[in-house]
Amino acid sequence: VQLLESGGGLVQPGGSRRLSCAASGFTFSIYGMSWVRQAPGKGLEWVSAISGSGGSTYYADSVKGRFTISRDNSKNTLYLQMNSLRAEDTAVYYCAKDLATEGTPHEYWGQGTLVTVSS
Amino acid sequence: EIVMTQSPATLSVSPGERATLSCRASQSVSSNLAWYQQKPGQAPRLLIYGASTRATGIPPRFSGSGSGTEFTLTISSLQSEDFAVYYCQQYNNWPLLFGPGTKVDIK
Repeated sequence: VQLLESGGGLVQPGGSRRLSCAASGFTFSIYGMSWVRQAPGKGLEWVSAISGSGGSTYYADSVKGRFTISRDNSKNTLYLQMNSLRAEDTAVYYCAKDLATEGTPHEYWGQGTLVTVSS
Repeated sequence: EIVMTQSPATLSVSPGERATLSCRASQSVSSNLAWYQQKPGQAPRLLIYGASTRATGIPPRFSGSGSGTEFTLTISSLQSEDFAVYYCQQYNNWPLLFGPGTKVDIK
């Protein structure tokens, strides 16, 4: 299993960013996937999850209405569209393969991509 | 919303000793509790799910117990590679929630 995140970088407050996670080594379409973030020096925060089909999505209250999770099963890729970014969204964002359906523990993790929200 | 707490915040242990970490949920999460290990600069690693089932490749010195609101992660004999931060996570309800973590360092 390999998960490779991309798309991180410096973005201004109020701006947008799209993260991608390229998955390989497993049948992507049958597993739930998640995004988890970690602010510098802080603990883990679950951000969002999506079902294998993409038909069900879930969000933390802190990002609801601003972030959108999606997936393209033909490309084995997970996405996180982040809008209206705030300083408190600054974090390493990890993509994770869930153990089974969405809402199950995160069995495999990528190495993360850093998003910095600053002017 | 469920609140997850972990104790202690830091645990100082000598190599070869036993470490016992606690996780508490503000309401029952049944057995839908996972434990993760994170070393500096690395992604987290799943250790335990279902409160007591070891994930693939996790050595038997790691064990989990508990149900409802009280959970324990035990490391029977600490190895040098076990010094890290440990997080619990409930997945019984949305939103999924992590505890604040317990740092296990060398005494």
